[in-house]
Amino acid sequence: QKEVEQDPGPLSVPEGAIVSLNCTYSNSAFQYFMWYRQYSRKGPELLMYTYSSGNKEDGRFTAQVDKSSKYISLFIRDSQPSDSATYLCAPGGGNKLTFGTGTQLKVEL
Amino acid sequence: NAGVTQTPKFRVLKTGQSMTLLCAQDMNHEYMYWYRQDPGMGLRLIHYSVGEGTTAKGEVPDGYNVSRLKKQNFLLGLESAAPSQTSVYFCASITPRGGLMNEQFFGPGTRLTVL
Repeated sequence: QKEVEQDPGPLSVPEGAIVSLNCTYSNSAFQYFMWYRQYSRKGPELLMYTYSSGNKEDGRFTAQVDKSSKYISLFIRDSQPSDSATYLCAPGGGNKLTFGTGTQLKVEL
Repeated sequence: NAGVTQTPKFRVLKTGQSMTLLCAQDMNHEYMYWYRQDPGMGLRLIHYSVGEGTTAKGEVPDGYNVSRLKKQNFLLGLESAAPSQTSVYFCASITPRGGLMNEQFFGPGTRLTVL
């Protein structure tokens, strides 16, 4: 079993839709939880992070962590074509991150 | 400020050839990492370094060697390339801040094909 499980998609939604991206993890030692966004043929870049269970909001993006069930979510409101990318969850601790496989998202006009 | 740069951007090798990938960062970061990214596998850590002159193995180190002779540079070597090493290679760097979140800054990647 992988430490981090993430549905690879692809996920295709119409513009304006609410998108839900999810990961599960098995290592209870993970201390912080990151979401990276990766555009095609580019390196990953940090989108959001959180330390604890609960929600964190940043504009149209909300990150949610439930440590009790080891479940990580990223919600995108009013999705835009520019949100089309691969989203990687990355829980971590001790200066190392463990990446999910990434979910490929396409937002269509 | 260039951030993290990688050289070369693309390379095609024949089986058995050797090559070195260069990662350079101008953010004075202490830690540097090499990952490979394959379809359906996500980013997997090959080797990393916690400071100049140090290296350590990651999740998939076999077939690779690394060196960190200067703080700003981290080299990834393939001594005898195999088709299984066809992948996109990413370098990343951070400066650790104790228990605080440590964002890894990534380079643009090197696309390597081994025939």
